[in-house]
Formats: sequence, structure tokens, C-alpha cells
Amino acid sequence: EPEVTQTPSHQVTQMGQEVILRCVPISNHLYFYWYRQILGQKVEFLVSFYNNEISEKSEIFDDQFSVERPDGSNFTLKIRSTKLEDSAMYFCASSADRFAYGYTFGSGTRLTVV
Amino acid sequence: AQTVTQSQPEMSVQEAETVTLSCTYDTSESDYYLFWYKQPPSRQMILVIRQEAYKQQNATENRFSVNFQKAAKSFSLKISDSQLGDAAMYFCAYRSALGRGSTLGRLYFGRGTQLTVWP
Repeated sequence: EPEVTQTPSHQVTQMGQEVILRCVPISNHLYFYWYRQILGQKVEFLVSFYNNEISEKSEIFDDQFSVERPDGSNFTLKIRSTKLEDSAMYFCASSADRFAYGYTFGSGTRLTVV
Repeated sequence: AQTVTQSQPEMSVQEAETVTLSCTYDTSESDYYLFWYKQPPSRQMILVIRQEAYKQQNATENRFSVNFQKAAKSFSLKISDSQLGDAAMYFCAYRSALGRGSTLGRLYFGRGTQLTVWP
């Protein structure tokens, strides 16, 4: 079964550093998403991406965040200057179309900011 | 914004027994999708079952079934013949099927119910 692949599985970074979280969506999917889950809390939407541009972003997705699909296969989330409160599990997801019943999540990247 | 409420932070069930996890949601829309996702200790989000709001028939996937009550805005998950591998966090989620195209993909999650299965 096709998978969404995320790397790394765990990243530790110092406060103020830039991090890039990487995702390889399922190859024929066109819609891409990032969600995050702070430990013990609900899963929160960050951003959706289609046709090489952001479709929607949440209030969490401020100027410190950016997304990119640099080469047609990878989908990245960049956090420019990490804060302690950015520590969370970050999930990438993809779907074939906007009417898809559900989409496929990756296994997540655990980001720890120290 | 739509809200999803899971009122049971924790539930437990004996192996082979049946358990029901509750979910309610708030929306003014008439067409939408509802989902249950499972998150085992590995933290991966796995789709368990989905329901289209326009369908009256409750969705079923093997041992998993839902009780969808549209008027009451309720969407509970029933797990029959519970197995040790069912132990996980379960999230209820909502997705719009109407409105501006840019909002179609966003999932709204509840806070989750941690299910423990006892042998």
C-alpha cells in the first residue's frame, strides 16, 4: 500500500535555529497538508497546499512557517526560528483530490526544541 | 469554525468485548464527512472508518461500525470483539464538503479518547 514518508522521525534543535521537515507524499496525490500535535493535545491543522501554492493556512501558520514543493516529489515544512512551543509531532498528509474521503498521513516527525 | 468534541478522555474494554467511543460535532453545514482515526503508540494516524453525511446508512468496516445521528450531530464508534491491537488513541474528525474550495481539505479533530484493552 502506498505510504507518505516523513524524515527525520525525530529532530532535536536549539531554540532560534531553522528546521526543515521533509515529506514524500504518495506519488499521484495532488493535495498536501501539514498538521501538528503538541503532546497530549489535539491534532491541529497548519496548512494545505495545491498546485504549488498554499490553499489555506491556520492562525498557527505565521511568518515563521513556510512550505515548499521543491522538486515535484518532496513537500517540506520550514520553521525559520524555532521556539520552545514549536515542540510537537508534525504530520504530513496527502490526498488524491479535494473530494477524497480521507487522506493518508505520514508517521510524523517529532520535533524537540531545547 | 467547526468543533468536534470527544467527551471521554479514556475508555477501557476487556478483550473480545464491545466498546463505544462518543463524538459530537457542531456545524451549520449540511454536507460533510466524518472520520475516526486511530493513533497507536507509534503515533502514526491511521484511518479507521469514514461516513458521508448525506448517507443515512451507518458505515461498517469489519469489527468497526459507527452510529451516525445527523440531527443530533453525533458520530460514535463501536468496536466489536476488541483485540489487544485496538489499544490506541482514537480521534474523531470532521471535514467540510461544501463552501469555498480552499476549505475542503481541512480536518477538524477532537481531543481524542485513549482506549485501553485488557486481556
